[in-house]
Amino acid sequence: AAGVIQSPRHLIKEKRETATLKCYPIPRHDTVYWYQQGPGQDPQFLISFYEKMQSDKGSIPDRFSAQQFSDYHSELNMSSLELGDSALYFCASSASGQPQHFGDGTRLSIL
Amino acid sequence: SQQGEEDPQALSIQEGENATMNCSYKTSINNLQWYRQNSGRGLVHLILIRSNEREKHSGRLRVTLDTSKKSSSLLITASRAADTASYFCATEDNNAGNMLTFGGGTRLMVKP
Repeated sequence: AAGVIQSPRHLIKEKRETATLKCYPIPRHDTVYWYQQGPGQDPQFLISFYEKMQSDKGSIPDRFSAQQFSDYHSELNMSSLELGDSALYFCASSASGQPQHFGDGTRLSIL
Repeated sequence: SQQGEEDPQALSIQEGENATMNCSYKTSINNLQWYRQNSGRGLVHLILIRSNEREKHSGRLRVTLDTSKKSSSLLITASRAADTASYFCATEDNNAGNMLTFGGGTRLMVKP
């Protein structure tokens, strides 16, 4: 069965650079979520989209933005990167009333 | 912010033994879910229990929910080395859309 696809799997950036993470949800899933998981931490909700419209917002820094496109893929844009942004970034998708399915994540390392 | 605590933070058992992990949460919830995460990988959904349910089974997994104590437990019976992973509980709150709020996770090691 198709799963949530995230790219890239690994990304290395320097401080103050920008990064774009991509997520391709499971077909026919109407909601996409982004989570951040720091080293040894539990995942923290960042933002979600329902039918391409932002639906909920969590602890997402102002330096980050996200959008969902007409083909339902989503991108998380991160600017002015800081050392503390080093983390695993997960995308998840779900159909209405169903559990969220997670991708394997993008490991972002800031040097 | 962290929803609650998981207990224990780490658990080491022998293959064949049972593993019990506990989770507490703070808010009023729609449901509570348990996820598994292998090191550095994505989270895999294991089981969902709704706020009006008290117990649920799926294969070797048994989940209980006590909404009066705002706590849940996950029991893995007849553990296998392949069960080695981190286990997280996550809640969908009544007033917070469909976002998940995760607990701290229990690192389970099953020794062959």
